[in-house]
Amino acid sequence: AQSVTQLGSHVSVSEGALVLLRCNYSSSVPPYLFWYVQYPNQGLQLLLKYTSAATLVKGINGFEAEFKKSETSFHLTKPSAHMSDAAEYFCAVSDHRVLTGGGNKLTFGTGTQLKVEL
Amino acid sequence: DAMVIQNPRYQVTQFGKPVTLSCSQTLNHNVMYWYQQKSSQAPKLLFHYYDKDFNNEADTPDNFQSRRPNTSFCFLDIRSPGLGDAAMYLCATSRAEGTETQYFGPGTRLLVL
Repeated sequence: AQSVTQLGSHVSVSEGALVLLRCNYSSSVPPYLFWYVQYPNQGLQLLLKYTSAATLVKGINGFEAEFKKSETSFHLTKPSAHMSDAAEYFCAVSDHRVLTGGGNKLTFGTGTQLKVEL
Repeated sequence: DAMVIQNPRYQVTQFGKPVTLSCSQTLNHNVMYWYQQKSSQAPKLLFHYYDKDFNNEADTPDNFQSRRPNTSFCFLDIRSPGLGDAAMYLCATSRAEGTETQYFGPGTRLLVL
């Protein structure tokens, strides 16, 4: 079974400071990993995904994440926080096996609420 | 723009009164998913469709049903909503290949009185 652990349900940073959101995964097969962002009362938007190509993945809005197999981690970073980054961030894992018929099953972490302060 | 649309954005129903949530997509994806997200929790997959083939997660209550009349539309029916079913319901779509990104709609927030 796969699982995702996001350390820190709430993270607060100052505007302009480094953002670091932590994600550790557990998977019996090489994982595919995703970061999604959710703004209040909205759906999830994909920030970036790792699918066994480059271990450093760049996403939208200046975010990036590094896959570290030895640490089973996929932490999300952004060099300089902006007020508009305040949102909830979800890490998710999907294995290679498709769901019955097609598609993939995402297992999400419990999310990290990012607060950006002036 | 290609997108996933959910209606309504907010739905209020009474305890035990059937309710239907709708999802439509213009992405022409053959897989559609329904997730339940309770307050401060991770989204949880309820079921998915591959074309017209319905696939239920093992722990999805029988109270939840779904219909997919065509590629573009998918409905979530809650036959007898309980207070515990109050949540955000998210629809997502993807192509069938395992690594494909899931695209999410804005969600429908369900309130059960």
